[in-house]
Amino acid sequence: GAGVSQSPSNKVTEKGKDVELRCDPISGHTALYWYRQSLGQGLEFLIYFQGNSAPDKSGLPSDRFSAERTGGSVSTLTIQRTQQEDSAVYLCASSLDEGYQETQYFGPGTRLLVL
Amino acid sequence: RKEVEQDPGPFNVPEGATVAFNCTYSNSASQSFFWYRQDCRKEPKLLMSVYSSGNEDGRFTAQLNRASQYISLLIRDSKLSDSATYLCVVNMRSGNTPLVFGKGTRLSVIA
Repeated sequence: GAGVSQSPSNKVTEKGKDVELRCDPISGHTALYWYRQSLGQGLEFLIYFQGNSAPDKSGLPSDRFSAERTGGSVSTLTIQRTQQEDSAVYLCASSLDEGYQETQYFGPGTRLLVL
Repeated sequence: RKEVEQDPGPFNVPEGATVAFNCTYSNSASQSFFWYRQDCRKEPKLLMSVYSSGNEDGRFTAQLNRASQYISLLIRDSKLSDSATYLCVVNMRSGNTPLVFGKGTRLSVIA
């Protein structure tokens, strides 16, 4: 079956521009996560959606970052006024809404480069 | 103390060797534990969950020591295809919640 998909796979932008990154989770998965991985660093949690609950935004690094999840499926991560330190791989993951089964399935990521 | 700490490596081992990775976590209330594998320029993928009693999957053995807040992964009879970065991952709460990832330990298996 189809896994988590993300688009674009690569994005090069100029400092100060806005970017939108898209994530299509696995069908039927109610939990969706965004992480960021900078070069040589571990994965950093950004934001988490679970069903119809209010999202957990505790990982967003600044108010330039926001995310939406429409219809409980597709999610968009928006970075406004991009800075060079935003350059990283942005990974999306999804999981089933079952407390004991916490496996998160990751998409291939979007590589963002801010010049 | 960082939430999840791992030896970054790299571990360079010959084929057939046994190699062990360690990981410590800071939150004693952590609920569940995992090892993920990440190949170069690829996304992380679940390798195995770590259970309190320890668990084995083929050549891979994972162990958890809650008292010492320590997790280990043992790989026996290393294959070239085992070369990757191994991420220690902790769920600080129960249910579907964001995971906390270590920075990973890089393994290179050499012919």
